[in-house]
Amino acid sequence: GQNIDQPTEMTATEGAIVQINCTYQTSGFNGLFWYQQHAGEAPTFLSYNVLDGLEEKGRFSSFLSRSKGYSYLLLKELQMKDSASYLCAVPPSNTGKLIFGQGTTLQVKP
Amino acid sequence: AAGVIQSPRHLIKEKRETATLKCYPIPRHDTVYWYQQGPGQDPQFLISFYEKMQSDKGSIPDRFSAQQFSDYHSELNMSSLELGDSALYFCASSFDATSGNEQFFGPGTRLTVL
Repeated sequence: GQNIDQPTEMTATEGAIVQINCTYQTSGFNGLFWYQQHAGEAPTFLSYNVLDGLEEKGRFSSFLSRSKGYSYLLLKELQMKDSASYLCAVPPSNTGKLIFGQGTTLQVKP
Repeated sequence: AAGVIQSPRHLIKEKRETATLKCYPIPRHDTVYWYQQGPGQDPQFLISFYEKMQSDKGSIPDRFSAQQFSDYHSELNMSSLELGDSALYFCASSFDATSGNEQFFGPGTRLTVL
């Protein structure tokens, strides 16, 4: 089975940097996704990691350590619009469906 | 760029009624996924289709059924609705059903059961 764990809530200040962690346990590993979801809206794709290391994409970066079952999403130069839920998701072996963690609600304050 | 289309966007039903939710994937995407998201919850996988065949099944109640048609659009049929079915229902599409392919989510259908 799958077990995905994220902090429930985080608060950060506009312009700062925040790191959202995700730990997972899976029977097989086929990569890890991060999605952003604003309240009442659809999840939108942020990143996909299948190999160890850091992938940078603008203000957002995502890191993966397969041996530790650990990933984090790093958000730099926080903006008010970054206030949202951040979902860590892992597809089970050989399937495309996404199993989501409970999501981390990030509140960015002025 | 074309996105995933879902209709209706909002739906209000009474208990024990039926509902049909529609999903139109991004052109040339052959895989459709349905997710249910209750208030304050993460999206839960219901069912998926690849090339018009069911490819995977999750925690979908027996009262629900779904199919993918020849034009790749999909419909989720829900019968004997219960109060607990009130949720956001997302459809997502991707190009093929293997893991690692980005799923594009539609705007969702908000179902309220009274």
